[in-house]
Amino acid sequence: GAVVSQHPSWVICKSGTSVKIECRSLDFQATTMFWYRQFPKQSLMLMATSNEGSKATYEQGVEKDKFLINHASLTLSTLTVTSAHPEDSSFYICSASSWGLAGGIVTQYFGPGTRLTVL
Amino acid sequence: TQLLEQSPQFLSIQEGENLTVYCNSSSVFSSLQWYRQEPGEGPVLLVTVVTGGEVKKLKRLTFQFGDARKDSSLHITAAQPGDTGLYLCAPGTGNQFYFGTGTSLTVIP
Repeated sequence: GAVVSQHPSWVICKSGTSVKIECRSLDFQATTMFWYRQFPKQSLMLMATSNEGSKATYEQGVEKDKFLINHASLTLSTLTVTSAHPEDSSFYICSASSWGLAGGIVTQYFGPGTRLTVL
Repeated sequence: TQLLEQSPQFLSIQEGENLTVYCNSSSVFSSLQWYRQEPGEGPVLLVTVVTGGEVKKLKRLTFQFGDARKDSSLHITAAQPGDTGLYLCAPGTGNQFYFGTGTSLTVIP
């Protein structure tokens, strides 16, 4: 099956620093990748949709200047949390999509997530 | 945007018990997907239901899509500790990136 990796798997940083998280599709080309944020025992909240070669589309309430997304190639999207603060501490998950079954059903392949802790 | 409400939000049961998790909406969906997420990992797709009234079985897990295609249920028979995790539903098309509110299941040995 399709594999998506994330790096790093966890990161601890000081308040005010920036952190970059990478999302890679290892064995397929993903024209679209998605970034989610998740708090403990809660559902995934979509942050933004990342399309290769174009600007990301952000969900309402997500600051695009704080969460910078770059999708430079068909296998790599990056999320940079700029000037991180303790409230940005969370589990960040990416996914890459592919068209699966007939009828437009999309299959998402998820990365293992990145645990960000901001001190 | 969360179009799907799941219940219960939290569930803790003993090994061997049965349970049902619900995914409800006021909207009609052409399909629904169920995922399971274990702590510290990404969600894994369990099943996609497409037809109203459809029932799909995956070992001890039984998934049903409502006749009106507005709701779905997941029934687990004889739960095991390995079933512990966060169960999520999501539309299979359209707003497929907006997950339900989730059900956190803990199966106690």
